[in-house]
Amino acid sequence: GAVVSQHPSWVICKSGTSVKIECRSLDFQATTMFWYRQFPKQSLMLMATSNEGSKATYEQGVEKDKFLINHASLTLSTLTVTSAHPEDSSFYICSASAGPSSYEQYFGPGTRLTVT
Amino acid sequence: AQTVTQSQPEMSVQEAETVTLSCTYDTSENNYYLFWYKQPPSRQMILVIRQEAYKQQNATENRFSVNFQKAAKSFSLKISDSQLGDTAMYFCAFMKGGSQGNLIFGKGTKLSVKP
Repeated sequence: GAVVSQHPSWVICKSGTSVKIECRSLDFQATTMFWYRQFPKQSLMLMATSNEGSKATYEQGVEKDKFLINHASLTLSTLTVTSAHPEDSSFYICSASAGPSSYEQYFGPGTRLTVT
Repeated sequence: AQTVTQSQPEMSVQEAETVTLSCTYDTSENNYYLFWYKQPPSRQMILVIRQEAYKQQNATENRFSVNFQKAAKSFSLKISDSQLGDTAMYFCAFMKGGSQGNLIFGKGTKLSVKP
């Protein structure tokens, strides 16, 4: 099956700094990538949808300037958490699909972010 | 707006027994997809089974099957011959047909399989 990787798998950063999380589709071209956030013992909440070469579409309540998403190629999307605060600590998961007509999404293993 | 409801926060089952996880959803759409995902302790999301709304036949994948009741907007997951490796969080999810693929997840059911 299709494989999606995330890097890093976990990261600790200091309050006020920025951290970048990468999401890569390893064996297929991902026209669309999704970023989710999951708090402990809770469900996945969609943060944004990104299409290659265009601006990401953010869900209501998600700060565009805080969570910068770039989808520069068909195999790579990045999420940058800017000026991180402890409340940004969470598990971030990306997923990728091969196109708008594809209902199959492939999930990355997630990135645990801890802001101290 | 679509919503997905999983009314069982936690369930347990004995190894080799059968368990059913409930899921209901609300939508005015006629074209959509429903999914069950498994999230084991590793946190990796794994697709368990998928159902297209236009198909009347219930989807089946080995020990996993669904009971899709479109009129009742119900989509339950049955796990037969439960195994210890089935212990995980199970999320029901909805996707509108023709969309970019945005998944709407339920809150999840924590399933524990006991030896």
